[in-house]
Amino acid sequence: DTAVSQTPKYLVTQMGNDKSIKCEQNLGHDTMYWYKQDSKKFLKIMFSYNNKELIINETVPNRFSPKSPDKAHLNLHINSLELGDSAVYFCASSRMTGNTEAFFGQGTRLTVV
Amino acid sequence: GESVGLHLPTLSVQEGDNSIINCAYSNSASDYFIWYKQESGKGPQFIIDIRSNMDKRQGQRVTVLLNKTVKHLSLQIAATQPGDSAVYFCAENSGSSNTGKLIFGQGTTLQVKP
Repeated sequence: DTAVSQTPKYLVTQMGNDKSIKCEQNLGHDTMYWYKQDSKKFLKIMFSYNNKELIINETVPNRFSPKSPDKAHLNLHINSLELGDSAVYFCASSRMTGNTEAFFGQGTRLTVV
Repeated sequence: GESVGLHLPTLSVQEGDNSIINCAYSNSASDYFIWYKQESGKGPQFIIDIRSNMDKRQGQRVTVLLNKTVKHLSLQIAATQPGDSAVYFCAENSGSSNTGKLIFGQGTTLQVKP
């Protein structure tokens, strides 16, 4: 039983393509996040949603569009992929937006060629 | 600006020894701190957290110490085991307690020698 699951695990695509990463959590949490981890392992928050409502948008290019059809799902769609988008993207969830730990998925390694 | 840093990028310890991983943060408004462990090919895994009204918190084989005066956080792992080998991240909420936003440090790689 995977608590936070994201698909695909690996994604290799050409520049200019549009791709989506899906995320689902079965923990009953209200808040979900997308983080980006670069080649130096630096983790940075991109977005967070609470009960399908956007809470955080960290000056991410508008080529990135999160979508939350319900509070258990937060998908990430990326348009016109660029080489610099290559990274590991992590989905996470937490019980609430307050001071509480976030549970992370296994990550999606995106490689843009 | 916001930053959370770790003093050493890599820490190598002998199996059975205690490990101490340090972290400095810059935002004095931060009131929640958390340590994560990330094994190769996996997502970060929660280890322990601490709120700013505490200076010490203990878990199973782990202890987190918080010194707000010098804005310093440390993670102590007792009797380090090979399974503890991973990258360790500290994170702070940077005062954003109503958003869940966490600012992560750059990570320390812990290598456990048998």
